[in-house]
Amino acid sequence: KNQVEQSPQSLIILEGKNCTLQCNYTVSPFSNLRWYKQDTGRGPVSLTIMTFSENTKSNGRYTATLDADTKQSSLHITASQLSDSASYICVVEPSGYSTLTFGKGTMLLVSP
Amino acid sequence: EPEVTQTPSHQVTQMGQEVILRCVPISNHLYFYWYRQILGQKVEFLVSFYNNEISEKSEIFDDQFSVERPDGSNFTLKIRSTKLEDSAMYFCASSEYEGSPPGELFFGEGSRLTVL
Repeated sequence: KNQVEQSPQSLIILEGKNCTLQCNYTVSPFSNLRWYKQDTGRGPVSLTIMTFSENTKSNGRYTATLDADTKQSSLHITASQLSDSASYICVVEPSGYSTLTFGKGTMLLVSP
Repeated sequence: EPEVTQTPSHQVTQMGQEVILRCVPISNHLYFYWYRQILGQKVEFLVSFYNNEISEKSEIFDDQFSVERPDGSNFTLKIRSTKLEDSAMYFCASSEYEGSPPGELFFGEGSRLTVL
């Protein structure tokens, strides 16, 4: 069964600090991996999309990495801001399907 | 910036009633989706729609659910007879294309459905 596991479940960091969120997946065959930011009560917003051949993708202060061999991805946030407080969701798309498999997300709280 | 819009933002209904959730996808997008998120849980796929027909659906999308694109702009999700467990946030999403390279998926702000 295709699964996406994220860790930690929640995280509190001080404003200005960096953090790294983890994602492990069992989806196979694999097409691409996405990271989304979801503010409470809002729709997910795309941060990065990486195909299986890409190792890293940046979007401003967000940098995602992908190791397709170990089926792991990470999202690194640098110089965190209060507005970064949200749930960060790892999403994997299998090859040959349009159905995305979502992780439960990591809830990040950036504290002043 | 173009966006996916959803109405209503919140609907409260009695168990057994019919509900229609409406979405206006981004105008040049061809692929449309409905997802749901039960409070505190992960986002779950319901159905995808392309070329005026369902292309994929999940186990959740049973006979109580239907989708329609009644005109060139709206995309609707109908729940025929709501159950308590249908209470969730329902997200509409659209994409310009699928395949390679992967098309970016744009989500609406969601419609919160509360079934009493």
